[in-house]
Amino acid sequence: GAVVSQHPSRVICKSGTSVKIECRSLDFQATTMFWYRQFPKQSLMLMATSNEGSKATYEQGVEKDKFLINHASLTLSTLTVTSAHPEDSSFYICSASDTPYEQYFGPGTRLTVT
Amino acid sequence: QKEVEQDPGPLSVPEGAIVSLNCTYSNSAFQYFMWYRQYSRKGPELLMYTYSSGNKEDGRFTAQVDKSSKYISLFIRDSQPSDSATYLCAMRNTNAGKSTFGDGTTLTVKP
Repeated sequence: GAVVSQHPSRVICKSGTSVKIECRSLDFQATTMFWYRQFPKQSLMLMATSNEGSKATYEQGVEKDKFLINHASLTLSTLTVTSAHPEDSSFYICSASDTPYEQYFGPGTRLTVT
Repeated sequence: QKEVEQDPGPLSVPEGAIVSLNCTYSNSAFQYFMWYRQYSRKGPELLMYTYSSGNKEDGRFTAQVDKSSKYISLFIRDSQPSDSATYLCAMRNTNAGKSTFGDGTTLTVKP
């Protein structure tokens, strides 16, 4: 099956710094990539949808200036958490899709802001 | 009210049992229905997808969609301890790029 990777898998940063998370589709071209946030024992909360070469579409309540998304190519999307604070600590998961019904998830990145 | 409702459980069954997981939804525009399995601290893994109504079988897993009742199910036969995970249902509109997820049901299969 299709493989999506994320890097890093875990990151600890200090409050006020920025963190970049990469999401790559390894064996297919992803026309659309999604970024999710997941709190413990809760479901996936969609943050934004990005299509290659265009601006990301953010869900209501998600600050676009705080969570910068770049989808520079058909295999790479990045999420940058700017000026991170402890409340941004969470599990961030990306997914990539090349069809309307199949969505392949990355392994997730656990962000801890101290 | 959420668009997709899923009982969070937890659900605990003995090894070998048949497991039934369910979701209900309110948006009649949903056309694609998916089930994902998520192990602790990992990303979700696509298990099954179904288009429109009907059944789909893959090994020990069977997915059912009843659009008239807005109800979907995932059955696991001969459950194994390795099936212990959180199961998420998800649905998509044909014209939308995003899926709407249920909250997930946590399943434990005891040896």
